[in-house]
Amino acid sequence: SQTIHQWPATLVQPVGSPLSLECTVEGTSNPNLYWYRQAAGRGLQLLFYSVGIGQISSEVPQNLSASRPQDRQFILSSKKLLLSDSGFYLCAWSGDKSQETQYFGPGTRLLVL
Amino acid sequence: TQLLEQSPQFLSIQEGENLTVYCNSSSVFSSLQWYRQEPGEGPVLLVTVVTGGEVKKLKRLTFQFGDARKDSSLHITAAQPGDTGLYLCAGALGNQFYFGTGTSLTVIP
Repeated sequence: SQTIHQWPATLVQPVGSPLSLECTVEGTSNPNLYWYRQAAGRGLQLLFYSVGIGQISSEVPQNLSASRPQDRQFILSSKKLLLSDSGFYLCAWSGDKSQETQYFGPGTRLLVL
Repeated sequence: TQLLEQSPQFLSIQEGENLTVYCNSSSVFSSLQWYRQEPGEGPVLLVTVVTGGEVKKLKRLTFQFGDARKDSSLHITAAQPGDTGLYLCAGALGNQFYFGTGTSLTVIP
């Protein structure tokens, strides 16, 4: 069965510090991978998605970047965090052939102070 | 621009009551998903509907995909406190999924 992992679960960082959030998927190959940000109790905002290694599409211009160094690894980064980067970050995957459904990781709560 | 609009945004009901949540769009989707999310956790998939007019049932939950594949509804019969959570719909278009604004449901014992 497929599983998706995210870490860390919670992160508190000062303004101006770098960021690296990691997401890995097990039990599937060549998945589509996604990074979302969610405001409290609200819908999800798509940040990045990837259909393959090294292929990143950015949906919202911002302070963040994404990379996919391996087939089942997706990383969200920032060189200098802003206060507005605080939020709940979710990674998700979908099958490359059957793209009808996404499955989400447990999320990372980021607080920038 | 929000592609999918959910209504109501907030819903508070007594245990045992019925409720319906709506997910509407002017766009046609290849499929539509419903998720339920607890605070501090990732959304958990409830159902995927693919065919226009499709109806799926999951215990006390009934999901319907509109004939034109632009909208969907979620009906809960005899709501229980365990149904409390944030309900999200998402429509699939190509490689992307567009999420609704969310419906926060509270079921009072």
